[in-house]
Amino acid sequence: GQQLNQSPQSMFIQEGEDVSMNCTSSSIFNTWLWYKQDPGEGPVLLIALYKAGELTSNGRLTAQFGITRKDSFLNISASIPSDVGIYFCAGPPEGAQKLVFGQGTRLTINP
Amino acid sequence: EPEVTQTPSHQVTQMGQEVILRCVPISNHLYFYWYRQILGQKVEFLVSFYNNEISEKSEIFDDQFSVERPDGSNFTLKIRSTKLEDSAMYFCASSGWDGTEAFFGQGTRLTVV
Repeated sequence: GQQLNQSPQSMFIQEGEDVSMNCTSSSIFNTWLWYKQDPGEGPVLLIALYKAGELTSNGRLTAQFGITRKDSFLNISASIPSDVGIYFCAGPPEGAQKLVFGQGTRLTINP
Repeated sequence: EPEVTQTPSHQVTQMGQEVILRCVPISNHLYFYWYRQILGQKVEFLVSFYNNEISEKSEIFDDQFSVERPDGSNFTLKIRSTKLEDSAMYFCASSGWDGTEAFFGQGTRLTVV
């Protein structure tokens, strides 16, 4: 089945640094979603992307839908302690009524 | 802000017992889902439900699993005879008219002993 590969798997950064993570697929997605999950909680939707090339921001977060429709990246600027968590990319395979998730990028911030 | 709510937050059950996980999706949403997440792993799709029937299910969703929307607000997942490997976080989600942006509940942690 379709898989989403996220990199890096984990990141250790200093507070205030910018963060970049990405997600790739072997097949085309028409929608890319980015979620954040805190420990013991459900995934929270951060950004939704619907068009190839689209660049969308949500506060300090910026995400882009790759031109090939096979990748997306998420940037976080000026990281703060509450940015700690696991970030997942997700998307619906064409014609499917479900989301496929990447394996996540775990973000740790040193104060 | 509307949200998906799940009960209970934690359920411990004996192997072989039946469990029912409950969810109240966002009220005007049309698509309903169950996902699960084994500790430390990614979120996996189980089943989607639209127009009072299953629209898609994964290989994980075998005959031991069933879903129901017994009334206009609740959406349930039943596991008939739990196995140790069913231990996981189970998330309910719902999405609106286009079925893409899914909003997740807080999850039910199921522990099978």
